[in-house]
Amino acid sequence: GNSVTQMEGPVTLSEEAFLTINCTYTATGYPSLFWYVQYPGEGLQLLLKATKADDKGSNKGFEATYRKETTSFHLEKGSVQVSDSAVYFCALPVSGSARQLTFGSGTQLTVLP
Amino acid sequence: NAGVTQTPKFQVLKTGQSMTLQCAQDMNHEYMSWYRQDPGMGLRLIHYSVGAGITDQGEVPNGYNVSRSTTEDFPLRLLSAAPSQTSVYFCASSYGRGYAEAFFGQGTRLTVV
Repeated sequence: GNSVTQMEGPVTLSEEAFLTINCTYTATGYPSLFWYVQYPGEGLQLLLKATKADDKGSNKGFEATYRKETTSFHLEKGSVQVSDSAVYFCALPVSGSARQLTFGSGTQLTVLP
Repeated sequence: NAGVTQTPKFQVLKTGQSMTLQCAQDMNHEYMSWYRQDPGMGLRLIHYSVGAGITDQGEVPNGYNVSRSTTEDFPLRLLSAAPSQTSVYFCASSYGRGYAEAFFGQGTRLTVV
């Protein structure tokens, strides 16, 4: 079935540093791919998504490109801020389901001032 | 802007006790689900519902029951709490057709002693 492997953390960066969080997937076909973010004490919220190969999702300065050649969907941001400190989850639909998601293990990001 | 509301936010149970985690959404979403979040394991699906009166098991259903008598509510019952059920529990909802963004509650942190 569909699965996702996510870069293990934690990741600690200084403010304005470049961020990459790796995510690779195994899937039947070309399902939509997602990044969710969990800020401290809160539930998950959708950060960005890409619905087909070569699409780029973007939001709040974060970007991720759906690359079928490398089965990857890496999350990037050019200049992180302290407020970006959170846990980031890569996700895709469960095989045969359009609504159930399978999540990566999450990557804790801490940005220091 | 209530969205998905979970109660309680924190709970401590003794082994063998039962309790119900409440989840309510006010967005008229058809699809609702319960996840548990454990360190290093991402989110794992416990149970889900595609509409009132319809529920099904996810990846880790043992020890939990659900019901869906209304569109709005999707309670999760722990029948006889065990220390292995110590976790953070998230309820989520989304529209029914195709893939749609999942909206998460703020979570319930449960400790079983």
